[in-house]
Amino acid sequence: RKEVEQDPGPFNVPEGATVAFNCTYSNSASQSFFWYRQDCRKEPKLLMSVYSSGNEDGRFTAQLNRASQYISLLIRDSKLSDSATYLCVVKPNSGYALNFGKGTSLLVTP
Amino acid sequence: SQTIHQWPATLVQPVGSPLSLECTVEGTSNPNLYWYRQAAGRGLQLLFYSVGIGQISSEVPQNLSASRPQDRQFILSSKKLLLSDSGFYLCAWSGPGNTIYFGEGSWLTVV
Repeated sequence: RKEVEQDPGPFNVPEGATVAFNCTYSNSASQSFFWYRQDCRKEPKLLMSVYSSGNEDGRFTAQLNRASQYISLLIRDSKLSDSATYLCVVKPNSGYALNFGKGTSLLVTP
Repeated sequence: SQTIHQWPATLVQPVGSPLSLECTVEGTSNPNLYWYRQAAGRGLQLLFYSVGIGQISSEVPQNLSASRPQDRQFILSSKKLLLSDSGFYLCAWSGPGNTIYFGEGSWLTVV
């Protein structure tokens, strides 16, 4: 089983729609969780950390469910500029490496 | 503020040629440093990480090597490139909080 799994998509949504991505992780002792955004042929950039109580940053909401070992990202009122690949990232409780999912592709259309 | 730069941004190398990618971090001391590779259609693969000068850990056996001659400098090398070494190479650093920040990346095409 892969460390971090995501639906690759693509998710094609119209402007203004709400879209949600899920990500599952295999290591129950994982301690830190993040969502990164990667534009085509660019480096990944931190979108937001994911906290146990859930957190929101503008149109973006992240949730963590430790019991079921998944995290989610909700994007409200989608913009054309949200089109990108969204990477789920999990930090195990030991070692230095972060485990990256392969990413979910989002395309927001006019 | 902290910044990270890596170079070159793009390179095309013949099979069997050497490789050197360089990365420098500014604005922080004693960062953890990483080299990742992203092959076409694949996720990010950790190649090396370093917690200090001269301290390198390899995650994947391969024909690549890494060195950290200075606190803020991380170098990825190869003596002889393979076609399978093609990909997007990313240097990254992390500090407290486990958040990782990437350089702009280097696109390597081995021909």
